[in-house]
Amino acid sequence: EVQLVESGGGLVQPGGSLRLSCAASGFTFSRSWMGWVRQAPGKGLEWVANINQDGSEKYSVDSVKGRFTISRDNAKNSLYLQMNSLRAEDTAIYYCARDTGSYGFDDWGQGTLVTVSS
Amino acid sequence: DIQMTQSPSSLSASVGDRVTITCRASQGISNHLAWFQQRPGKAPKSLIYGASSLQSGVPSKFSGSGSGTDFTLTISSLQPEDFATYYCQQYTSYPYTFGQGTKLEIK
Repeated sequence: EVQLVESGGGLVQPGGSLRLSCAASGFTFSRSWMGWVRQAPGKGLEWVANINQDGSEKYSVDSVKGRFTISRDNAKNSLYLQMNSLRAEDTAIYYCARDTGSYGFDDWGQGTLVTVSS
Repeated sequence: DIQMTQSPSSLSASVGDRVTITCRASQGISNHLAWFQQRPGKAPKSLIYGASSLQSGVPSKFSGSGSGTDFTLTISSLQPEDFATYYCQQYTSYPYTFGQGTKLEIK
């Protein structure tokens, strides 16, 4: 069974940093594209970033470019999102998801809440 | 960026009804279209990929169709657990984009 478990969320002040983690199990993590999707309170889904199997390809939405960095450690079956220069508008639940390419995002974690507030 | 527009934004229906949600892309996306269901307080769940293929374990009451710019999600014989919010998403090019969601409510 595929499991994705996010952690690292919390309350942070504007301008601060946070690192989210996603522990993966139940599939061959090193062969999978992975991504982060967020959802602001009461709002819709927004794709944040994707990374390929060996970390050599990364894509992100314009609103986080230069501030957020997606990375992975295949030895630890873990996905990360380093978030710097956080803004109030980054407040959201952050989900990690497996991107199977032609099958899309097929499995999602339960999410971790990031709140940016003073 | 490719804009995804869903309609309607909300929909009221009764148990046993059949409903259809539409999703339009601002440019052609072939069949790189997915549908997700999200119940309150839960993570999104993948229903359909490739515009019309069911994810493993998803009941056949869900069906998708379309190609290019116009897509539909149809849910037949609505049950209480189907009342949720549904999102479409294109994955033909970055940035991936989602529709704004359709909230399906019990009438």
